[in-house]
Order: sequence, then C-alpha cells, then structure tokens
Amino acid sequence: AQKITQTQPGMFVQEKEAVTLDCTYDTSDQSYGLFWYKQPSSGEMIFLIYQGSYDEQNATEGRYSLNFQKARKSANLVISASQLGDSAMYFCAMREGSGSRLTFGEGTQLTVNP
Amino acid sequence: DVKVTQSSRYLVKRTGEKVFLECVQDMDHENMFWYRQDPGLGLRLIYFSYDVKMKEKGDIPEGYSVSREKKERFSLILESASTNQTSMYLCASSLVTSGRPNEQFFGPGTRLTVL
Repeated sequence: AQKITQTQPGMFVQEKEAVTLDCTYDTSDQSYGLFWYKQPSSGEMIFLIYQGSYDEQNATEGRYSLNFQKARKSANLVISASQLGDSAMYFCAMREGSGSRLTFGEGTQLTVNP
Repeated sequence: DVKVTQSSRYLVKRTGEKVFLECVQDMDHENMFWYRQDPGLGLRLIYFSYDVKMKEKGDIPEGYSVSREKKERFSLILESASTNQTSMYLCASSLVTSGRPNEQFFGPGTRLTVL
C-alpha cells in the first residue's frame, strides 16, 4: 500500500491567495513524523515544516502551516498569501517510529499566477 | 549552514560503464542517504548509511552499491550502468538527535544520463 499519497499532480493559485496541498499517509506506528519539502526548478530540496505525531498543535513556519488531522491521517500544507517564488514541486514525506528513513509522496507541482 | 555537495550536476555515461556518484556533507551527520527521483514517482530510497562502513538497503537497491569509508562521504556506485538508471540522483544527510525533527538536508542533485 502507498504510504504517502499526494493526489494533486498539479495545482494553480493566484498570487496573494492561500492554497492547500493535500497529503494523506498510512502507518500503523503510533510515533511518526511528517515533513514537507519544496523543490524549485533549480532542483534543490528545501525543508519547510515538520509535524510530530504527538504534537498537539498544528505546526506553523511563517506563511506555511500544516493542517494535521490525525484521525483522517492527513497532513495538508497550507501556504498563505502565495508569492510567485512559491512556484515549485512540493513533497510530503513520513518517518515512521524511531527510524531515520523517509518515505516520499509523488509530489504536487504548484504554479502561482500573477 | 549544513552543506551537502555532490560531485557532478550533470553526467553522461555509456551502457555498461561503472559510475561513481560522490556526496560529501560538512556537518558531522551520522545518517546519509541516496535517492533517485523520477517524474510521477517522487523520491525513492536506494541505500542509506547510519555510520561509517554501515549501510542498509532502501526500496530500490538493485543495480546499485554504496561505500562509506569516512563519516562525511557517501558514494553511490552503478556497477554496470543501464539506460533505466537514467535519472536524477539526490544525496541527503541528517542528524540522529532524540526529540528533534532531524530533517534531511539535500545536495543539489546529479542528473545522470545513460546512453
């Protein structure tokens, strides 16, 4: 079974609007972590935000927030006030248990229109 | 700032050649990883290493081997390159620290073409 699913291959948003990128996960571990990375066209992977399975509050980092719904096994990334520089591929990833390995989703290509 | 460097941004090799991809990190991270990235498939783990001379297979190790002789350096080896190994290869490293996210830091990637 797919451990991380990103159902939106491509998303479009107008500059200054908010956008939500979907991520659902599948694990039987009680302890896990969820990550979001951004990959601009230049290719480097940039860490954006992290949510631990025991964290009670949704994670926030500047314009990025993570809408964590544990019962639904979803960890959607919300980008507020989109900027042209937000155009990139976005990957959701999960670490299970105390391990170090990450499992990545297929990615969502976000395009911000002026 | 953590820096992860990879030996080449672009590489073109011929079928059957032995190919070495080198990765170096400068932050004394215990863990190092090799992924390949293909459109529509995301990143898939080839191998990772949690200490010098220690390695574990990832999800797609067939056709690849790795070497970690020093903590800062992790090499990916294609023993006999094939066209289906044409891909983007990404190296990453991370700490092992209890109670922290221990996010992975990535290199710029090597785009390998096998002809």
